[in-house]
Amino acid sequence: DVKVTQSSRYLVKRTGEKVFLECVQDMDHENMFWYRQDPGLGLRLIYFSYDVKMKEKGDIPEGYSVSREKKERFSLILESASTNQTSMYLCASSRDSSREQYFGPGTRLTVT
Amino acid sequence: GENVEQHPSTLSVQEGDSAVIKCTYSDSASNYFPWYKQELGKRPQLIIDIRSNVGEKKDQRIAVTLNKTAKHFSLHITETQPEDSAVYFCAATYTGGFKTIFGAGTRLFVKA
Repeated sequence: DVKVTQSSRYLVKRTGEKVFLECVQDMDHENMFWYRQDPGLGLRLIYFSYDVKMKEKGDIPEGYSVSREKKERFSLILESASTNQTSMYLCASSRDSSREQYFGPGTRLTVT
Repeated sequence: GENVEQHPSTLSVQEGDSAVIKCTYSDSASNYFPWYKQELGKRPQLIIDIRSNVGEKKDQRIAVTLNKTAKHFSLHITETQPEDSAVYFCAATYTGGFKTIFGAGTRLFVKA
């Protein structure tokens, strides 16, 4: 059974803080993804990674960066949090692009 | 850029009725089309998927159809039950790449 876990379910940060969101998967998947989910906008891709130390920008990368030092772990970094980054953040992994993505439980981030 | 449009945004049906959700994609190279169900407070989970070499796929009460020429695909749920109430996301992936583009989601209400 695939497990994707995220470091926090709820997080409250102040404007300007550096924020780290961590995601870990236990199925040796090559691909990992970070999405943000906002009402009426669906799931929007922030960044994805298809291998260790490899990363690609998604549709909304501005204000975010990522790190993948180990295959099982993919981190999302908000360099300087802003209120418009208040959202639900979902991590996902997949064995390859032609297979389903397995999602983590999500982190609801509030920036005040 | 690539886009997936999903309609309707909200759908309310009576228990036992059928529900249909429609999606249109823009990238003609897309060849993998998953559907995810997200119950309230939970992570999205795959319920059915279809590949571009298939026109229709069925799994119990759920079916998906694909029209490659028109770049349309649809989810059909028959004999709806209250536990079908959730948000449903369609998606399109070009499996030669890595990105999956999600629709904005359809909130389905099944009234008992």
